[in-house]
Amino acid sequence: DVVMTQSPLSLPVTLGQPASISCRSSQSLVYSDGNTYLNWFQQRPGQSPRRLIYKVSNRDSGVPDRFSGSGSGTDFTLKISRVEAEDVGVYYCMQGTHWPPGSFGQGTKLEIK
Amino acid sequence: EVLLVESGGGLVQPGGSLRLSCAASGFTFSTYAMHWVRQAPGKGLDYVSAITSNGDTTYYANSVKGRFTISRDNSKNTLYLQMGSLRAEDTAVYYCVKPFPYYSWGQGTLVTVSS
Repeated sequence: DVVMTQSPLSLPVTLGQPASISCRSSQSLVYSDGNTYLNWFQQRPGQSPRRLIYKVSNRDSGVPDRFSGSGSGTDFTLKISRVEAEDVGVYYCMQGTHWPPGSFGQGTKLEIK
Repeated sequence: EVLLVESGGGLVQPGGSLRLSCAASGFTFSTYAMHWVRQAPGKGLDYVSAITSNGDTTYYANSVKGRFTISRDNSKNTLYLQMGSLRAEDTAVYYCVKPFPYYSWGQGTLVTVSS
């Protein structure tokens, strides 16, 4: 199975400052169709996860443009340009290329410093 | 609007059984694969099981293979997870997930395995 490794696992950030989360996969996530099925999810406290980013860099509807995804192959990054209070929660990367199974990273807990 | 409502969670003794249900609405249920994902208290997300739209192909995580059975009733727009031989490590919130196109999640149902 593909192992997804996130860093850092804890991310204290000052309001208005940028934040960056790294995600590395144990195998390339490029699928045979040329797409890379790497998603990012946000889970706010007490809520179900919601997807923010799909196929590395595409924002889901309603996701603020301060969120951006980048990367290729085995290395990926989620960036928040200016952290707001509502961004507090846990962020997970998840690969869907080598299915089954999809696999999640361990999660990165973002908190306000 | 996609709505997924899980039910059936609760407290069960080790070795016991439980059946989770997920009532789906707001989309044509019979045309979409469905997944179960779980989250142990204070922990991350783990895939449990998946089923194709017509139910003819299923997937199970190694940790639940032989103990859990995923199924669906497309006439009732409902997804199921039959859980048996439950262990303490199965304690988690179980989410019903519609992966396509937007990865929609239910609110989850808590399963606690304890004596």
